[in-house]
Amino acid sequence: SQQGEEDPQALSIQEGENATMNCSYKTSINNLQWYRQNSGRGLVHLILIRSNEREKHSGRLRVTLDTSKKSSSLLITASRAADTASYFCATAYNDMRFGAGTRLTVKP
Amino acid sequence: DGGITQSPKYLFRKEGQNVTLSCEQNLNHDAMYWYRQDPGQGLRLIYYSQIVNDFQKGDIAEGYSVSREKKESFPLTVTSAQKNPTAFYLCASSTYTSRQGTDTQYFGPGTRLTVL
Repeated sequence: SQQGEEDPQALSIQEGENATMNCSYKTSINNLQWYRQNSGRGLVHLILIRSNEREKHSGRLRVTLDTSKKSSSLLITASRAADTASYFCATAYNDMRFGAGTRLTVKP
Repeated sequence: DGGITQSPKYLFRKEGQNVTLSCEQNLNHDAMYWYRQDPGQGLRLIYYSQIVNDFQKGDIAEGYSVSREKKESFPLTVTSAQKNPTAFYLCASSTYTSRQGTDTQYFGPGTRLTVL
């Protein structure tokens, strides 16, 4: 079964706005990862946060992890039209389990 | 130039046929994975392998088979027992340690399988 559950399922914003996506999960993890997928392509890794970390930054990306609530969030600041894609969280232990994703549309 | 490759990009299968999807990596990763993605949905784990000559079933292994004879290769066979195989198939690899578990996965470009 899929481990992560993203919220919202779809998000539409204007260029320059911030986009926030949330992920909830159910069991123990070693780390949580966020990936991006453009239509019809493979997934591209964005950022990994370990279970003993609370926040991580990479460029315009900010990820938080709350293991007590079993939840994570991905913030994309100053979004661009090129950020339009599907975003997936994945929980890692011995294997990796993905959620259903958030479809982000950034309008120019 | 390190990476992970999948072939073919598009594959058409007649009902009752077995087909094999190729996945090769030169990243020296121990672990490899196969996922299935249906339109508008997330990835579901079919099989994974953490070491050569060993593999485990994922959530939807029925109708699929794999082998891991070499570290670089993890082919997936979609058998005639898989009743609804039309989907996008993604292969990935990662480092793996028993202490830290699965690390960042690197994905291939995918194979789109269509049953005629």
